[in-house]
Amino acid sequence: DIQMTQSPSAMSASVGDRVTITCRASQGISNYLAWFQQKPGKVPKRLIYAASSLQSGVPSRFSGSGSGTEFTLTISSLQPEDFATYYCLQHNSYPFTFGPGTTVDI
Amino acid sequence: EVQLLESGGGLVQPGGSLRLSCAASGFTFSSYSMTWVRQAPGKGLDWVSAMSGSGGSIYYADSVKGRFTISRDNSKNTLFLQMNSLRAEDTAIYYCASCSGGNCRAHPLDDWGQGTLVTVSS
Repeated sequence: DIQMTQSPSAMSASVGDRVTITCRASQGISNYLAWFQQKPGKVPKRLIYAASSLQSGVPSRFSGSGSGTEFTLTISSLQPEDFATYYCLQHNSYPFTFGPGTTVDI
Repeated sequence: EVQLLESGGGLVQPGGSLRLSCAASGFTFSSYSMTWVRQAPGKGLDWVSAMSGSGGSIYYADSVKGRFTISRDNSKNTLFLQMNSLRAEDTAIYYCASCSGGNCRAHPLDDWGQGTLVTVSS
């Protein structure tokens, strides 16, 4: 199975900051990497799939990049509603696997 | 609008069984692959199982293989997860999620239900 790691596991940031989260796969997954946002008590929401394709309705301050084994999620200017936990998911091969998550708080 | 509604969660003793359901609406259910994802209290997301629209392709996480069975009834627009030999570590919110275009590799987990809580405890 493909193992996913994320860094950092948690971070403190301020409104307006540029935030970058990294996700690494234990083997190459081409561009089959998605990012999800989850707020406390809420259902996860997909932000990006295929490494860089923005989900319809997601603000353009979110962007994704990478291929192979290393990927990044970037929030260009952090907004109050962006404080949440972010998970990557490899969707290249079954079983799909999530990263452990990155919590972004104030 | 895609709507997914899970049901069937509850309290069960270790070694027991439970059957979860996910009622789907707002899309052509038989054309979509479907997945189950779980989240233990205070923990991260854990992919559990997936099934193609026709039911011909089925996948499981190693942690549930041999104990859980995914199935679907396309005539009733419903996805199921039969969980047997339950363990304390299976305690989690179980979400169903859809994959548009019939392919989770191309369109992973587009929409999610609200989840149903399964608690395994004596």
